[in-house]
Amino acid sequence: AQKITQTQPGMFVQEKEAVTLDCTYDTSDPSYGLFWYKQPSSGEMIFLIYQGSYDQQNATEGRYSLNFQKARKSANLVISASQLGDSAMYFCAMRERQGAQKLVFGQGTRLTINP
Amino acid sequence: GAGVSQSPSNKVTEKGKDVELRCDPISGHTALYWYRQSLGQGLEFLIYFQGNSAPDKSGLPSDRFSAERTGGSVSTLTIQRTQQEDSAVYLCASSFGRGENSPLHFGNGTRLTVT
Repeated sequence: AQKITQTQPGMFVQEKEAVTLDCTYDTSDPSYGLFWYKQPSSGEMIFLIYQGSYDQQNATEGRYSLNFQKARKSANLVISASQLGDSAMYFCAMRERQGAQKLVFGQGTRLTINP
Repeated sequence: GAGVSQSPSNKVTEKGKDVELRCDPISGHTALYWYRQSLGQGLEFLIYFQGNSAPDKSGLPSDRFSAERTGGSVSTLTIQRTQQEDSAVYLCASSFGRGENSPLHFGNGTRLTVT
């Protein structure tokens, strides 16, 4: 069964610093997608970035990049030059090609950016 | 364009009453999902609709929960004989396809409070 693990319940970072949010996963499906979502205090779920299991390069979207290490089954989110508006919950999620097709989420990491 | 729309945004109900939560997905999206998020927790998968296929109901916590999707578009999640433990934010999401690379786009959720 697919599983997502986020081991950092909370992270505190100074503004303008880079931050890495950890995510490990487990699946037996060779084809899968990995996603990161941001959930600010308003509650909306905002899609940030996607990485496919067969992608050769790490995904990047503006200040967001995904450090994908397939052999280690990790998909860490890197936020460069953090801003106060980055304070939010961040969820890692995975969707397999086979099986249930549902998106399975980790427990999330609460990121706080300090001025 | 219009995103995923959920109504009501807030619902307070008495224990034992039935409630209906509505979701209007993004036009053209064939997949629709319901998730539940308890306070400070991750997202718990409830049910998944894909086109005309039989829904994946594997996440429904009890037979008090049911959902339908009419005409391949609008979906209604029904909770019968509500209990206090049903209090949570119910999130609906849709995606363009069923592939592992299709991100889910979320509505703003319905906050359900059972008193």
